[in-house]
Amino acid sequence: SQKIEQNSEALNIQEGKTATLTCNYTNYSPAYLQWYRQDPGRGPVFLLLIRENEKEKRKERLKVTFDTTLKQSLFHITASQPADSATYLCALGDSYKLIFGSGTRLLVRP
Amino acid sequence: DAGVIQSPRHEVTEMGQEVTLRCKPISGHNSLFWYRQTMMRGLELLIYFNNNVPIDDSGMPEDRFSAKMPNASFSTLKIQPSEPRDSAVYFCASSFSGQWETQYFGPGTRLLVL
Repeated sequence: SQKIEQNSEALNIQEGKTATLTCNYTNYSPAYLQWYRQDPGRGPVFLLLIRENEKEKRKERLKVTFDTTLKQSLFHITASQPADSATYLCALGDSYKLIFGSGTRLLVRP
Repeated sequence: DAGVIQSPRHEVTEMGQEVTLRCKPISGHNSLFWYRQTMMRGLELLIYFNNNVPIDDSGMPEDRFSAKMPNASFSTLKIQPSEPRDSAVYFCASSFSGQWETQYFGPGTRLLVL
């Protein structure tokens, strides 16, 4: 069955640095991959989508890469801010169906 | 726009009781999803409706769970009878059909079954 791995340990970085989160998967060939942000007590919020034929996508301070050979996506937040502290979920998609990773918690220290 | 609305936000009930969770999708969206989030299993799709019709209910854990969408602006997820292992956060999400990649999640209902 499909398996998605995100680093279960929290990522703790200094404000201003670049945060890099990893999403690895096996036994699946998604049509697209998404990253979501989830704050405590709230629902996930869509951030970025990248399709299987794309290598990189950017949106403001966010960048996502997608390597279908390695079955890996990297999610970068540049010039990180304390307000970026949250849990970030990776999701593999095929038409309407999303399969989510367990998420990585990011803590940005002022 | 108010976004996806879910009620109640919190529910505490005793084992064996019936639980009904409610969702109002974003106006104009014709796809609706129910998800469950737990520490052990993460965020899982339970059921997907398109134009009020259930399309995929393969994620519904067992017959104790049922979902309905009587009209485009309302859906319910019912658990009868509830069990402690049903304790989780239940999310509703909506999108435009054919634009499933952009799903808008509600704030969730935190369910605790004692």
